[in-house]
Amino acid sequence: AQKVTQAQTEISVVEKEDVTLDCVYETRDTTYYLFWYKQPPSGELVFLIRRNSFDEQNEISGRYSWNFQKSTSSFNFTITASQVVDSAVYFCALSEAETGNQFYFGTGTSLTVIP
Amino acid sequence: DAGVIQSPRHEVTEMGQEVTLRCKPISGHNSLFWYRQTMMRGLELLIYFNNNVPIDDSGMPEDRFSAKMPNASFSTLKIQPSEPRDSAVYFCASSFRKFWWAGVKNIQYFGAGTRLSVL
Repeated sequence: AQKVTQAQTEISVVEKEDVTLDCVYETRDTTYYLFWYKQPPSGELVFLIRRNSFDEQNEISGRYSWNFQKSTSSFNFTITASQVVDSAVYFCALSEAETGNQFYFGTGTSLTVIP
Repeated sequence: DAGVIQSPRHEVTEMGQEVTLRCKPISGHNSLFWYRQTMMRGLELLIYFNNNVPIDDSGMPEDRFSAKMPNASFSTLKIQPSEPRDSAVYFCASSFRKFWWAGVKNIQYFGAGTRLSVL
């Protein structure tokens, strides 16, 4: 069974629109971490954020914000006022205490921001 | 501070040839991961090491694939013999893992990847 599900395969938005990327995870562990990575067209994977299972505070970093809700097992990522440079594939990942430091990646959401 | 360094960036080879991919993790990191990325299968974990010891190689496709980490600053992923279906982007990542209850950082930092084409 998929531990991390990113149901949105591709999203297109017009520049300056807000966009939310969904991530749903599955774990029986009480201690775990959630991550978001960005993969721009150049190909490298860039770390964006890490969240632990004991901290449900939402986080904002500039135009990026993350909404962690344990009740729905979701860790959604919102980009406000999107820009062309936000065009990339975004991956959500889960790491559990029980299985060590192995990451379980979602299948990614490809975001295209149209100028 | 240098990130994870992978070489070569691109490799084109013919079916049946041996391919060796190299990775230098971030200094001080004690975990190293090899991933493969394809359109069909997405990001797949092939193998990972803690303190130079292979922990889980269940993702290695078959005996043609092997990985080594002779020391904390170097790892190789070898494919012998290579086949066209091995064509993919191979990523190396490293992280620092201490004790879970000590607030382990656990963030994986990725190299730029090696794009392998087997003809």
